[in-house]
Amino acid sequence: AQSVTQPDIHITVSEGASLELRCNYSYGATPYLFWYVQSPGQGLQLLLKYFSGDTLVQGIKGFEAEFKRSQSSFNLRKPSVHWSDAAEYFCAVGVYDYKLSFGAGTTVTVRA
Amino acid sequence: NAGVTQTPKFQVLKTGQSMTLQCAQDMNHEYMSWYRQDPGMGLRLIHYSVGAGITDQGEVPNGYNVSRSTTEDFPLRLLSAAPSQTSVYFCASKPTGNYGYTFGSGTRLTVV
Repeated sequence: AQSVTQPDIHITVSEGASLELRCNYSYGATPYLFWYVQSPGQGLQLLLKYFSGDTLVQGIKGFEAEFKRSQSSFNLRKPSVHWSDAAEYFCAVGVYDYKLSFGAGTTVTVRA
Repeated sequence: NAGVTQTPKFQVLKTGQSMTLQCAQDMNHEYMSWYRQDPGMGLRLIHYSVGAGITDQGEVPNGYNVSRSTTEDFPLRLLSAAPSQTSVYFCASKPTGNYGYTFGSGTRLTVV
């Protein structure tokens, strides 16, 4: 069965600093990969997705993610965070793009 | 275009009661899913549907039933509520093709 690991439960970053959130998955083939963001009390919003092709994908809000097959990773990055980026971030993986497994999430705190 | 609409937003049930969480989408999406979100566990798939009349179990289906009689609606039924079903429930939908899910705003359920 596929599994998703987000090693960092909580990350604190200064406004304007760079951010990297880690995601590792366990599956034999290349799955469908997603990053979602959840603001407090809200639903989840899709940041970006990887299906195939270029391993560096661009998303909304200035985020990007890189798929590394050799490391079974799909890490999310942002060069310069804004206070509005404070939220919980979820990595999701699926054999099919309609049947996803989610990681436990990483909470990002942005300090002024 | 309302997206994915979940009702109610909040609900308190007594142990043993039954209820239905409603989910409706107006985007003509083929795929719909129900997830539950618990602290530190991310989102776990309860049931999903790949089209009207077709449903299947996810990771944590016990105690829940679904049906999909129309493309628009995907209700989740709790047969006999238990305190372990206290959670935030999210419904999501996606179209055919390489797209991510659109999530509703969630239903916060407490079982006492």
